[in-house]
Amino acid sequence: GDSVTQMEGPVTLSEEAFLTINCTYTATGYPSLFWYVQYPGEGLQLLLKATKADDKGSNKGFEATYRKETTSFHLEKGSVQVSDSAVYFCALSEYNQGGKLIFGQGTELSVKP
Amino acid sequence: DVKVTQSSRYLVKRTGEKVFLECVQDMDHENMFWYRQDPGLGLRLIYFSYDVKMKEKGDIPEGYSVSREKKERFSLILESASTNQTSMYLCASSTGRGDIQETQYFGPGTRLLVL
Repeated sequence: GDSVTQMEGPVTLSEEAFLTINCTYTATGYPSLFWYVQYPGEGLQLLLKATKADDKGSNKGFEATYRKETTSFHLEKGSVQVSDSAVYFCALSEYNQGGKLIFGQGTELSVKP
Repeated sequence: DVKVTQSSRYLVKRTGEKVFLECVQDMDHENMFWYRQDPGLGLRLIYFSYDVKMKEKGDIPEGYSVSREKKERFSLILESASTNQTSMYLCASSTGRGDIQETQYFGPGTRLLVL
């Protein structure tokens, strides 16, 4: 079945460092791909998404490109801030699955001043 | 803004109790979902609903049931709580256009401890 695999955390960075969180997926069709973020004490919120190969999603300085050839959707940010400390989830949604999301295990990011 | 609210942020129950977790959304969304979140496992889908009185099993429905009597409200029921149901429970909703790129909107979560 479909699955999503993320790099294990926690990831600890200093402020202004470059961030990459790896995400790879397995899917039978052509899924849409998402990154959700969960700030401490809150529910998840959509960070960005991409719906077809080579699409780039971007929001709040974060970017991810849908790479069909490597089945990947890595999250990047050029300069992280303390306020980016959160748990990041990669997810996919397949056609004809009624909008169900399949999530990766989450990657905790901690940014130190 | 879409708002999804959950009835409790923290809940402590005893083994064998019947537990109700309530979720309400205010955007007239068709789809509603219940997930549980456990460290290292991400979010796993318990049940979802496409319409009033409709429900579908997710990946881990055992030990749970749901109720959707009104469009805006989706309840998760633990018929007889067990310690392995200690977890964070997240409710979500989406428009239900049948579009695979549609966004799910999440509530703040209920952290349930079963003693």
